[in-house]
Amino acid sequence: EVQLVESGGAVVQPGRSLRLSCASSGFTSADYTVNWVRQAPGRGLEWVGYMRSKIYGATTDYAASVKGRFSISRDDSKSIAYLQMTSLKTEDTAVYYCTRVVRLTYGNDAFDIWGQGTVVTVSS
Amino acid sequence: DIQMTQSPSSLSASVGDRVTITCRASQSISVYLNWYQQKPGNAPKLLIYAASSLQSGVPSRFSGSGSGTDFTLTITSLQPEDFAIYYCQQSYSTWTFGQGTKVEIK
Repeated sequence: EVQLVESGGAVVQPGRSLRLSCASSGFTSADYTVNWVRQAPGRGLEWVGYMRSKIYGATTDYAASVKGRFSISRDDSKSIAYLQMTSLKTEDTAVYYCTRVVRLTYGNDAFDIWGQGTVVTVSS
Repeated sequence: DIQMTQSPSSLSASVGDRVTITCRASQSISVYLNWYQQKPGNAPKLLIYAASSLQSGVPSRFSGSGSGTDFTLTITSLQPEDFAIYYCQQSYSTWTFGQGTKVEIK
């Protein structure tokens, strides 16, 4: 079964750091862009950032709201991706989802597989 | 950044109704538009990609249309399992989601 499982969510104080993990199974994760999306309580979806596969240079990009504070990495030997979050703010409180990115048609990338999410609460 | 605006924000409908949700982009995005369904407590699920292509396994009562800046998601004959929140997403320039449309039971 194709699956993504996030872990690492916790309650942390503002200014602290946290690392989330996303373990994939059922497919060759090294071939895909890995991506993170978050959802604040009662709010909509916000794209956080992505890392392309190594064959595409493992390039990354991030939403302006997290650029410079969050970083994505991947260990393809373990089929795990990470979201390192630093200088956390109360507004980073959300459910964090990792997703698989697929190109189903030319130029159009969509999120076809999602994990169940992990909860991050930033509070003093 | 490309902004996505959905309307309405919520709607009430009955089983068997035809439902239409609109999504407008702040600039032309060709057909780089996807639709997702999210049920309470669950992760979103991809329904439609490239504006009008049905994702594998999604019932044919779901359809999408549009190009440029204006897009539509239509559910013909609404079923009990379709009560959920629907999000559009542009993939023209990284990704941005609409604010969501909640489909509730009338």
